[in-house]
Amino acid sequence: SQTIHQWPATLVQPVGSPLSLECTVEGTSNPNLYWYRQAAGRGLQLLFYSVGIGQISSEVPQNLSASRPQDRQFILSSKKLLLSDSGFYLCAWSPRGGITDTQYFGPGTRLTVL
Amino acid sequence: KQEVTQIPAALSVPEGENLVLNCSFTDSAIYNLQWFRQDPGKGLTSLLLIQSSQREQTSGRLNASLDKSSGRSTLYIAASQPGDSATYLCAVLYGQNFVFGPGTRLSVLP
Repeated sequence: SQTIHQWPATLVQPVGSPLSLECTVEGTSNPNLYWYRQAAGRGLQLLFYSVGIGQISSEVPQNLSASRPQDRQFILSSKKLLLSDSGFYLCAWSPRGGITDTQYFGPGTRLTVL
Repeated sequence: KQEVTQIPAALSVPEGENLVLNCSFTDSAIYNLQWFRQDPGKGLTSLLLIQSSQREQTSGRLNASLDKSSGRSTLYIAASQPGDSATYLCAVLYGQNFVFGPGTRLSVLP
């Protein structure tokens, strides 16, 4: 069966510090991968998605970046965090191709920028 | 651009009641629509997936309907239980990506 992992589960970082959140998927190959942010009281905002190694699409301009160094690994990074980067970050995957795909979500990372 | 809205934003009901959550989307060119459940501080769990060619899906006490032409979906929860308390989000698969609504926070009181 497929599983998706995210770490860390919680993170408190000062403004201006770097960020690295990791997501890995097990039990599947060639997944589509997604990073979402959920700010307090708001819906999920798609940040990045990837259809393959090294292929990253950005949905919103921001000081965050994403990378996919391996097929089942997706990393969210920042060189300098802003207060507005605080939120709940969710990684998700979906099977490649087809129109019947659902998305499977990881447990999330709670990021607080002080 | 696709926009998804959900009504109500929050709902509190006594245990045992039947209830309806609403989801609306602006562009009917969707591939599918999903309802998710999110418990506080947790990830999302898929409840029901309706393909664009389907009208409804059922799972246990949950029934979701889809009227693509009018841009609406409803999630019906029968005989609600305290364990149903969570935030419910709908999402549409639009183009290559999912667009989510803001969610409805449901509290079922014992």
